Amino acid sequence: QKEVEQNSGPLSVPEGAIASLNCTYSDRVSQSFFWYRQYSGKSPELIMSIYSNGDKEDGRFTAQLNKASQYVSLLIRDSQPSDSATYLCAVNDYMEYGNKLVFGAGTILRVKS
Amino acid sequence: DGGITQSPKYLFRKEGQNVTLSCEQNLNHDAMYWYRQDPGQGLRLIYYSQIVNDFQKGDIAEGYSVSREKKESFPLTVTSAQKNPTAFYLCASIGTASTKAFFGQGTRLTVV
Repeated sequence: QKEVEQNSGPLSVPEGAIASLNCTYSDRVSQSFFWYRQYSGKSPELIMSIYSNGDKEDGRFTAQLNKASQYVSLLIRDSQPSDSATYLCAVNDYMEYGNKLVFGAGTILRVKS
Repeated sequence: DGGITQSPKYLFRKEGQNVTLSCEQNLNHDAMYWYRQDPGQGLRLIYYSQIVNDFQKGDIAEGYSVSREKKESFPLTVTSAQKNPTAFYLCASIGTASTKAFFGQGTRLTVV
């Protein structure tokens, strides 16, 4: 069973600071990695995807991937109270009948104003 | 607008009753998925379907059933055999040659 591990938090950061969210995964052959943001009572929203080693930046968000260490992270710069949510890490699992996403349990982020 | 529509948003089930959750997409995606989320936990896969008239069990399929008679629709039935059905249910789809999943707004099922 492929696994995705995240620290459940909560991670508390002051407004304007950098929030760093981390995720490790068990399957060395995984090729696609995603970060979803989920507000309380709502469905997950895709905010970042990354497929190759290194950094990928999109606005205030940077995803970092290290396949050798089986580690993916999400940095949120200039954190805002509206960033307070649960962040889910997901890894693609290729199967005989297609592919699916395996999710971590999520990290709760709280940005204090 | 293209998207995934789940209904109803809230659903209440009596003990021993079967209920069906609707999921419709107009994104022309081949693959569709049902996930269950419990408080403080990640998403667990119930069933998935890559093409019409074909579907596969996920990690927690017991007590659930699905059908895929149309590309656009993937309804989930929660049967009386599911002993702890209270949860947030999410439907997702992925397009051909893509690995990005997009979600519906979810259905919150409560046993009363």
